[in-house]
Amino acid sequence: GDSVTQMEGPVTLSEEAFLTINCTYTATGYPSLFWYVQYPGEGLQLLLKATKADDKGSNKGFEATYRKETTSFHLEKGSVQVSDSAVYFCALNPSGGYQKVTFGTGTKLQVIP
Amino acid sequence: DTEVTQTPKHLVMGMTNKKSLKCEQHMGHRAMYWYKQKAKKPPELMFVYSYEKLSINESVPSRFSPECPNSSLLNLHLHALQPEDSALYLCASSQDRGSREAFFGQGTRLTVV
Repeated sequence: GDSVTQMEGPVTLSEEAFLTINCTYTATGYPSLFWYVQYPGEGLQLLLKATKADDKGSNKGFEATYRKETTSFHLEKGSVQVSDSAVYFCALNPSGGYQKVTFGTGTKLQVIP
Repeated sequence: DTEVTQTPKHLVMGMTNKKSLKCEQHMGHRAMYWYKQKAKKPPELMFVYSYEKLSINESVPSRFSPECPNSSLLNLHLHALQPEDSALYLCASSQDRGSREAFFGQGTRLTVV
C-alpha cells in the first residue's frame, strides 16, 4: 500500500538556519504530494503542494520539489524563524481521491532565538 | 472564504454525557471528513461524507455517530465515550471525493473524564 516516511524529530535549529525535513514515499501511479503545518493547539494548514513530477511547491519561503526518480518531496527553507516552530506533516494523495490520503508521522520543528 | 469552522474549540465531557461536535463550510464543497488525532500522531480518518451521504466509515465504534444535515454542515454526536477517546477531532472538506486537496478546520480538543 501507499506510505510516507518522514525524518524523526524533533528538529531543533537556531533562527536564520537552513531547514530540510526529509520525506520519501511509496505509491503506485502518480500521486499528489503535500506538506501540512500544524501549529500548537491548532488544526492542519496546507503549506504547499505538487501534483506531478518535477513540480515545485512553494509558500511562505518554504519549498519542496516532487522528485519521482528518488520518490522524495523534501521540505526546505533558507532561513527559519521562531514563528516556524510547528509540526510538519508530509502527505500523499493517490489518484483515488482525498479519502485515501496518507500522512507521514510528522516532524516537530523547534526554532530557538 | 476558505474556512472550515469547528465548534466548540474545547470540550470536556463525562463518560455518561452526550455531546456533539459541529463543522461548517461555505465553499460549496460536497465532501466532508472527520479525523481523529492523538498527541504526536498524524490524523486518522474516521468518516467521509459525499453529497450528504456517508460513504466511508473506518470501523469507528458506534459511540461516535456522524450526521450531515446539509451540504454545509457536518456533526459528530458523541455518547458514552471512554477516556482513550480524548483527542483532537478535525473536520475537513474538499470539492468532492475525487479532489486532490482538502481544507481543515482548527479542530475540537476533546477530553473525556
